[in-house]
Order: sequence, then structure tokens, then C-alpha cells
Amino acid sequence: NAGVTQTPKFRVLKTGQSMTLLCAQDMNHEYMYWYRQDPGMGLRLIHYSVGEGTTAKGEVPDGYNVSRLKKQNFLLGLESAAPSQTSVYFCASSYFPHINQPQHFGDGTRLSIL
Amino acid sequence: AQKITQTQPGMFVQEKEAVTLDCTYDTSDQSYGLFWYKQPSSGEMIFLIYQGSYDEQNATEGRYSLNFQKARKSANLVISASQLGDSAMYFCAMRKNGGFKTIFGAGTRLFVKA
Repeated sequence: NAGVTQTPKFRVLKTGQSMTLLCAQDMNHEYMYWYRQDPGMGLRLIHYSVGEGTTAKGEVPDGYNVSRLKKQNFLLGLESAAPSQTSVYFCASSYFPHINQPQHFGDGTRLSIL
Repeated sequence: AQKITQTQPGMFVQEKEAVTLDCTYDTSDQSYGLFWYKQPSSGEMIFLIYQGSYDEQNATEGRYSLNFQKARKSANLVISASQLGDSAMYFCAMRKNGGFKTIFGAGTRLFVKA
């Protein structure tokens, strides 16, 4: 039962570097999400996707880009990393967001920007 | 705008006792779902329990129950017979029916004492 898999689990970047976080789910979910978690702030939605080839902005999209080329994968990119993007990033997926459908989360990626 | 408030940054409970984690929410939507997630020190997000806004009975899942008071807009999590493994961060979350955005509270850290 892989569920939602995030790679990498940890990464340290220098300011200005770029990187891509990969999220893969094997539950055939249509909807996928990227969140960031910061101390005292809970989780905040960065971007989400309602299906292959679609993406939309969430609450805090600036500085991030996403792509959903395949249904099972959702990529989060940082083109020019900034220290303010130091955070723990979570990917999640779900079926149609009916109110009784919880999101299934990956284990998170801890990202530090120096 | 939707908002989730968790007023207890940290809570202590003695092993085998019950504990209530508070959650209040604000929304103008009539149809919505409330969720609780557990985040242990290992970092993953674990779905615990769900309550729909039209559900007349409080949700229960094993040792977890949700004390839902719609008029007061509260959805408190009750953990009975606390175990050492319950020590974790707990997040309350809400999503309107058909909405893609799940709003999370800032979380409550629970410490279970032996």
C-alpha cells in the first residue's frame, strides 16, 4: 500500500537554486494538492489539480509552479528558491472533494533554503 | 471566509484518561465537512475522523469521537483512554461541499504522560 509517495524526503538548497518535488499516488485519485506547513500556521494550500493536465492556484502560490502531466503524478517546482520557502511540503490526493472524502497525505518533504 | 481556530497550543493528559481538543470554525456555507488529522513526530498526516454538517449524530471511530455542536460552530475531538502513542500534533480541518480548498487550524500538540 504505497498511497501517496513524496520524493525527496529532505533537501537543502542555496538561495537561487531550483528544484522539483515529486508526488506520486497509486489510488487513481483525480484531485491532488500541494501544501506547505509552517510552525504555528497549520497547512496552507499552494496549488492543486482537478485532473490530468489541469492546475490551479491555492492560498500561497507565489514562487511555485506545478505540473500534472500524468494523473498519478503532481510536481511542485521552485524556480529560484528563497529562504522564506523553507518549510515542510505535503502532497495530498483525494477522489471528488465531497465533504466526506478525506485527503490522503504523503509523508512530507523537509526543505531548507540557506 | 472560512476559518478554523484551535485555541490550545499544547495539552497534557495522563495515560488512560480522556482528553478533549477544541476546534471552532467559521463558515457561511451550509454543507461542509469537518476533519481531524494526527501528525506524530515522524511527520506524516493521519486522517482520524470526519463529521458532516448535516449529520445528526456525532462521529465515532474507535477511541476517537467528535463532539459536534453546529449552533456553536465547534467540532471538538475527544480521545478516550489516552495512550502514550497518542502524543502528537492534532489538526482540525474543514472543507465545504464540492470545494477544493481544505482549511486547517494551527494545531494542538498533545502530550500523554505515563
